[in-house]
Amino acid sequence: GAVVSQHPSWVICKSGTSVKIECRSLDFQATTMFWYRQFPKQSLMLMATSNEGSKATYEQGVEKDKFLINHASLTLSTLTVTSAHPEDSSFYICSARHGTGDEKLFFGSGTQLSVL
Amino acid sequence: AQSVTQPDIHITVSEGASLELRCNYSYGATPYLFWYVQSPGQGLQLLLKYFSGDTLVQGIKGFEAEFKRSQSSFNLRKPSVHWSDAAEYFCAVGEMDDYKLSFGAGTTVTVRA
Repeated sequence: GAVVSQHPSWVICKSGTSVKIECRSLDFQATTMFWYRQFPKQSLMLMATSNEGSKATYEQGVEKDKFLINHASLTLSTLTVTSAHPEDSSFYICSARHGTGDEKLFFGSGTQLSVL
Repeated sequence: AQSVTQPDIHITVSEGASLELRCNYSYGATPYLFWYVQSPGQGLQLLLKYFSGDTLVQGIKGFEAEFKRSQSSFNLRKPSVHWSDAAEYFCAVGEMDDYKLSFGAGTTVTVRA
């Protein structure tokens, strides 16, 4: 199947700093990518939908100025957590929409963010 | 609004025994239903999906799921569990127009020898 690479796998940062997470579709072009957040022992919550060349669409309750999303090319979307605080510590997962084939959605391996 | 409920937070099953994970959904139209598996520290892998047609869906790793509209359920089953099946399982519902999925809270499966 198609491969989605997410980097870094884990990151530890100090409170107040910004962290960038990359999501790449390695062998296909993804016009749409999604960013999810997962708290321990909880489900994945959709944060935003990222469309190439346009502004991201954020779900209700997600601060767009806090979680900056850029989808500058058909194979790369980035999520930047700005001025991170301990409550932003979470597991972040991206998924990319594949335009063809039977399986349409592929997930990255996730990024564990810990803010000290 | 669409929503998914997975009533069982944690299930422990013996290796070789059968497994059934429950999933109930709430959705206004015909749902697109998915089961994903997540191993520790990893992303999600699609086990199977239902869009239309035969209500019994076969997936990878020996899993199957049955869509029951009258019960708004999409339960996942496996006849004989292997130790490698220990993981977190998520049921999800969505629309194929936009691929935005709503996930259940997940069920942790522990396999004992």
